[in-house]
Amino acid sequence: GENVEQHPSTLSVQEGDSAVIKCTYSDSASNYFPWYKQELGKRPQLIIDIRSNVGEKKDQRIAVTLNKTAKHFSLHITETQPEDSAVYFCAASSGGYQKVTFGTGTKLQVIP
Amino acid sequence: SAVISQKPSRDICQRGTSLTIQCQVDSQVTMMFWYRQQPGQSLTLIATANQGSEATYESGFVIDKFPISRPNLTFSTLTVSNMSPEDSSIYLCSVEEGSPADTQYFGPGTRLTVL
Repeated sequence: GENVEQHPSTLSVQEGDSAVIKCTYSDSASNYFPWYKQELGKRPQLIIDIRSNVGEKKDQRIAVTLNKTAKHFSLHITETQPEDSAVYFCAASSGGYQKVTFGTGTKLQVIP
Repeated sequence: SAVISQKPSRDICQRGTSLTIQCQVDSQVTMMFWYRQQPGQSLTLIATANQGSEATYESGFVIDKFPISRPNLTFSTLTVSNMSPEDSSIYLCSVEEGSPADTQYFGPGTRLTVL
């Protein structure tokens, strides 16, 4: 089955700096890669996703890149703000009601 | 996206008892999923529930311990049976939406503590 590895497990950045979280996956059939943000005590919320026919996607301060050949994808957050502090999960799926496999999570702390 | 609610939001239970968690969606969905999130950990899929058929369980999870019902396209229940302290976790339901239907949206979760 699919295996998703995520690094780093914790990340501290100064407000205004950029943060990068990296994930690798094992199943070449995976074609859908969502990212979730989970604030303390809250449900995971989808923040951005990318499909395998796209190499990069951007939404304001958040961007995701995908390298299908290397089987890795990354989340980039620019101009970080204290409200970006949360746990971020990457995930991979082969889509269409198939199982979504989650990474182990990255706890991001943005220091004011 | 669909609006998903769960009941109860939290509970404290005695070992050996059972708890049934309800998940309600405001629109009809084909698949519903149940996850467990242990403290400080990632999300682990327990089972997938399709209306009109038996749930499909992931490795390490069995129907006797986590029976699931899916009576219609907007509702599902997960029961945690014969609980032990190791079952203390957050249990979340989710649904898939979109075209293709692969984006998962989560309910608020049920925080379970077993004493």
